[in-house]
Amino acid sequence: GNSVTQMEGPVTLSEEAFLTINCTYTATGYPSLFWYVQYPGEGLQLLLKATKADDKGSNKGFEATYRKETTSFHLEKGSVQVSDSAVYFCALKFIQGAQKLVFGQGTRLTINP
Amino acid sequence: GAGVSQSPRYKVAKRGQDVALRCDPISGHVSLFWYQQALGQGPEFLTYFQNEAQLDKSGLPSDRFFAERPEGSVSTLKIQRTQQEDSAVYLCASSAIRGGNYGYTFGSGTRLTVV
Repeated sequence: GNSVTQMEGPVTLSEEAFLTINCTYTATGYPSLFWYVQYPGEGLQLLLKATKADDKGSNKGFEATYRKETTSFHLEKGSVQVSDSAVYFCALKFIQGAQKLVFGQGTRLTINP
Repeated sequence: GAGVSQSPRYKVAKRGQDVALRCDPISGHVSLFWYQQALGQGPEFLTYFQNEAQLDKSGLPSDRFFAERPEGSVSTLKIQRTQQEDSAVYLCASSAIRGGNYGYTFGSGTRLTVV
């Protein structure tokens, strides 16, 4: 079946550090890939997406590249801020057929000043 | 409305009680989803509507779970004879169009605690 695996959390970094959150997927076919973010007390928000191999999604200084050869979609940011503290979810979806998002288990990120 | 609205925000139910959770999607959104998010886990798909038609209910964990969207707008997720394992945050999401590469707009969820 289709699944998403994220690196275990929690992740704690200092402000201005480099961030990587690993995400790999298993899927029959070529899904679209997403990163969602959940700030405390808020709903899930779409952070970025990529729809085909080698696409790079980017938003708010975050970026992730769709790597078909390694079935990965790692999230990166060059310099994190305290306001980036949240839970990050990697997810996949197929354009055709089932419309549901399949999520990873989430990675809690805490940035210390 | 400006976003997806869910009510109640919090619900405490005694084991065996029936509950009803409401979702108001963004006006005009065709697609509506329900997800269940257990503590420390990612959301898991429950069911999907396109307008009033329930096209996928493969994620509903048992026949105690029932969802409806009779007029193609507001949706209700009903859980009968609640059990402790039903404790979770229930998320609703909507999308303006069917399919495609678009993300969905999520509500803030209803946190259900079964005691």
